[in-house]
Amino acid sequence: DTAVSQTPKYLVTQMGNDKSIKCEQNLGHDTMYWYKQDSKKFLKIMFSYNNKELIINETVPNRFSPKSPDKAHLNLHINSLELGDSAVYFCASSRTNFGQGTYGYTFGSGTRLTVV
Amino acid sequence: TQLLEQSPQFLSIQEGENLTVYCNSSSVFSSLQWYRQEPGEGPVLLVTVVTGGEVKKLKRLTFQFGDARKDSSLHITAAQPGDTGLYLCAGAANSGYALNFGKGTSLLVTP
Repeated sequence: DTAVSQTPKYLVTQMGNDKSIKCEQNLGHDTMYWYKQDSKKFLKIMFSYNNKELIINETVPNRFSPKSPDKAHLNLHINSLELGDSAVYFCASSRTNFGQGTYGYTFGSGTRLTVV
Repeated sequence: TQLLEQSPQFLSIQEGENLTVYCNSSSVFSSLQWYRQEPGEGPVLLVTVVTGGEVKKLKRLTFQFGDARKDSSLHITAAQPGDTGLYLCAGAANSGYALNFGKGTSLLVTP
């Protein structure tokens, strides 16, 4: 059983297209995240959702729109893709950290997005 | 954003050697976590340290949280090729809702 699954694994698309990445977790976690990992392997938080509500939106262009239909799903839709959007996008989930941050994250295996 | 600096950025050693990876910040964290990431996969949690001065051991891996909760170290004894990967430290901001990651230490252990 895959704990955090995201699809697709690879996504190659042309500039200007719109694409979506799906994420599902079966761990019963309340919080889900999207992270972007650049070519230098730096992981940067994009969004965080807690019980379907947006908690964190970290200076991400509004071409990126997350959607959480329920606690187990957090999808990422990207409009008008640009070359600079090429990266690996990771979905993750955790139990809710109420200020202590002691609960670890479970990550999906990533979606490698290449914009050409 | 609370920044975490990791050093060294790259490390290439032979099997059997010992090594230490550092994670430093000017900010105080409520906890720090260490992850290992292998190519084509997401990071996997190794350990969480919460209390200043805490030491945790995971087989040949020893993790320490600084007394002031601003830094942490990971020591690997007798490294093996299976230890190869990207080691990431991550700190929880006081809001607790998201982890900030360091830029990672890429470790290569050759037989």
